[in-house]
Amino acid sequence: QVQLQESGPGLVKPSETLSLTCTVSGGSISSYYWSWIRQPPGKGLEWIGYIYHSGTTSYNPSLKSRVTISRDTSNNQFSLNLRSVTAADTAVYYCARIGGGSWDFDCWGQGMLVTVSS
Amino acid sequence: QSALTQPASVSGSPGQSITISCTGTSSDVGSYTLVSWYQQHPGKAPKLMIYEGSKRPSGVSNRFSGSKSGNTASLTISGLQAEDEADYYCCSYAGGSTLVFGGGTKLAVL
Repeated sequence: QVQLQESGPGLVKPSETLSLTCTVSGGSISSYYWSWIRQPPGKGLEWIGYIYHSGTTSYNPSLKSRVTISRDTSNNQFSLNLRSVTAADTAVYYCARIGGGSWDFDCWGQGMLVTVSS
Repeated sequence: QSALTQPASVSGSPGQSITISCTGTSSDVGSYTLVSWYQQHPGKAPKLMIYEGSKRPSGVSNRFSGSKSGNTASLTISGLQAEDEADYYCCSYAGGSTLVFGGGTKLAVL
């Protein structure tokens, strides 16, 4: 069974870059699409973007200018970089797998709270 | 790309049925049968309940069903149980390799 685990700093200063890694176990990232989703405290879910095993990416238009998603197939990981963060980027960040061609998120990490504060 | 519209809250009594709507546009919900629904309990990661509009993943109760009409998708939960109390989110493919979520609906089982 595929499992996903987010890791990275839980506190980031304003204007700096938020960097998270998702480690996939029980399956290879060399198939499927892999995505990041976030949820500000007390608010709804927001899709950030995805990466395909080929390296192809797609991003939420509202975040596209600040986001980069990359992958490390040798370590079965994919990563999120969000630049120039503000307090509005404080959220629980989830990594998830997009299942097949159905464009749904069929497997999720437990989520990681990242706080933007000086 | 705007968030899909869901009611902020719905409620029902045990044993009853409720329906949560998810309204988009002709660019997302109206153009694709690629709507999914997620259940999220407090402090937990979302769980996939419905995909491709009306299909249930293995292990999801058949009390959960999905449908679509025009630009609006719906999630129906029949035979409400206390454990169904949670937040529910819809999500749709929005073209151009992008996805969009709804704002979420809090379900209270009274």
